[in-house]
Amino acid sequence: AQSVTQLDSHVSVSEGTPVLLRCNYSSSYSPSLFWYVQHPNKGLQLLLKYTSAATLVKGINGFEAEFKKSETSFHLTKPSAHMSDAAEYFCVVSPRANSGYSTLTFGKGTMLLVSP
Amino acid sequence: NAGVMQNPRHLVRRRGQEARLRCSPMKGHSHVYWYRQLPEEGLKFMVYLQKENIIDESGMPKERFSAEFPKEGPSILRIQQVVRGDSAAYFCASSPSGGHYDTDTQYFGPGTRLTVL
Repeated sequence: AQSVTQLDSHVSVSEGTPVLLRCNYSSSYSPSLFWYVQHPNKGLQLLLKYTSAATLVKGINGFEAEFKKSETSFHLTKPSAHMSDAAEYFCVVSPRANSGYSTLTFGKGTMLLVSP
Repeated sequence: NAGVMQNPRHLVRRRGQEARLRCSPMKGHSHVYWYRQLPEEGLKFMVYLQKENIIDESGMPKERFSAEFPKEGPSILRIQQVVRGDSAAYFCASSPSGGHYDTDTQYFGPGTRLTVL
């Protein structure tokens, strides 16, 4: 079984300041980990993906995440927030099980608010 | 390359009616997943299908919900005799293969927002 805990339901930052969205996971198998972003009334867009290659993963729009196995964490960061980053962010785990397929388990989401 | 298409984008039904949600996967993708997003919650897996086969429906409610992915045409999620608690956003995702870790990225459609009056 797998689960995802996003530690903050809301994060508020000022434009130009760093962003940190926290995520902890548990998985019975060596997982793939993802961050997706959802803008209001829109679908989900893949930001980045970890699949056991480099532990520091770079994504789109300046976001990156670091996989830390010892801490079972996969926190999302960005050095400088932009107003357009305001959205809901989902941390997602997918176990690389032997069943031949994977289904995604989503965290409850973190709403990022960016003020001018 | 067109992304995952879902229609309708918004659907309003009265209690007791049927809702049919459609999903066309990305070109070249033969694996479809349906997820439901209830208000202020993350997405929850419902069902995973390949062409003409339901592979995993462990997240589907036992009654009133069904899904199919025919040989030709889109995948359909059907909800019979809708109730107010079915109001949610329903997202479809597709992937090129089932779950090999290098190709298990799922690409999501824009969702169908179902409102039951």
